[in-house]
Amino acid sequence: GAVVSQHPSWVICKSGTSVKIECRSLDFQATTMFWYRQFPKQSLMLMATSNEGSKATYEQGVEKDKFLINHASLTLSTLTVTSAHPEDSSFYICSAMGAGANEKLFFGSGTQLSVL
Amino acid sequence: QKEVEQDPGPLSVPEGAIVSLNCTYSNSAFQYFMWYRQYSRKGPELLMYTYSSGNKEDGRFTAQVDKSSKYISLFIRDSQPSDSATYLCAMSPFSGGYNKLIFGAGTRLAVHP
Repeated sequence: GAVVSQHPSWVICKSGTSVKIECRSLDFQATTMFWYRQFPKQSLMLMATSNEGSKATYEQGVEKDKFLINHASLTLSTLTVTSAHPEDSSFYICSAMGAGANEKLFFGSGTQLSVL
Repeated sequence: QKEVEQDPGPLSVPEGAIVSLNCTYSNSAFQYFMWYRQYSRKGPELLMYTYSSGNKEDGRFTAQVDKSSKYISLFIRDSQPSDSATYLCAMSPFSGGYNKLIFGAGTRLAVHP
């Protein structure tokens, strides 16, 4: 199946700093990428939909100025958590959807963010 | 009431058992149904993808959809310790509508030797 690479797999940062998470589709062009947040023993909650070359669409309740999304190419989307606070600590997962045979959704391996 | 309900478990079974995992939903517009497997601290991996009602089989896995009852199931035959993971159901009202994809909370499965 198609491969989606997410980096880093875990990051620890101090409160007030910014953290960037990368999501790459390695063997297909992703027309759309999605960013999720997952708390322990809870389901994935969609944060935003990212389309190449256009502004991301954020779900209700997600602060667009805090979670900056850039989808600069058909293979790369980044999520930047700005001025991180302990309550932002969570597992962040990206997914990518291609076209045609790759229209199904493929997930990255996730990033565990811990804000001290 | 959540749109998708899934028993979180944990479900513990002996190796070789048949496992039944289920989800119920309330939105009759859902037409595309998926099952994902998620290992601890990893991203979900697509196992099964079905459209509308009926059964679909892939190896040891069988997915069933009963739209009249708003109920979907995943059966795992001859379960193995490597099947130990969290299983998430997910559903969407239309093809490729992943921005409308709703996930269940996941059922944790443990298969012991």
